[in-house]
Amino acid sequence: DAKTTQPTSMDCAEGRAANLPCNHSTISGNEYVYWYRQIHSQGPQYIIHGLKNNETNEMASLIITEDRKSSTLILPHATLRDTAVYYCIVRAQTGANNLFFGTGTRLTVIP
Amino acid sequence: DTAVSQTPKYLVTQMGNDKSIKCEQNLGHDTMYWYKQDSKKFLKIMFSYNNKELIINETVPNRFSPKSPDKAHLNLHINSLELGDSAVYFCASSQGRGSGQPQHFGDGTRLSIL
Repeated sequence: DAKTTQPTSMDCAEGRAANLPCNHSTISGNEYVYWYRQIHSQGPQYIIHGLKNNETNEMASLIITEDRKSSTLILPHATLRDTAVYYCIVRAQTGANNLFFGTGTRLTVIP
Repeated sequence: DTAVSQTPKYLVTQMGNDKSIKCEQNLGHDTMYWYKQDSKKFLKIMFSYNNKELIINETVPNRFSPKSPDKAHLNLHINSLELGDSAVYFCASSQGRGSGQPQHFGDGTRLSIL
């Protein structure tokens, strides 16, 4: 599986958009980009995933660059409850569906 | 209406004991997983079951034995507990084995070995 690189930590003002970057320069054509988050003392929570196209759901938007070497998770209006560690993961379409979690980005939403 | 539930939430026990952690999902998924999160917060896959059959068994001591009585349940039994087993154990499930299917996690079981 391709490796990902994320900033260790980020701050975001409450109510503003939080843009979390992820580099995956060695991604293969058949690998998905997944985003999960882990709020303190809880299990990882699925946010969104995509292959080539940008994706949007009720939680967030995922912007994938045309060369697929990087992506950005956007939380449009961050709230204090969005404070968490955010993990960017790439997974091949074939093979076992186990997830490899890195160190993620610790997002702190500031009032 | 919890999707993936684990019991117990906390487990404190002595070294050398045998213990079990239970996991149940009501999402109708056919694939279930166990992950371990250590003190450095790294999450790592341990086991994966699809339709009650083992499909992933990462390098885990054979003191750990998963058991899946049916598609909705995947229990984890641990023999002869050691200090290094102290961690948070997460159960997860997904629909199918394909990596296009997101996994949904429980809230974890915090295991502390005295």
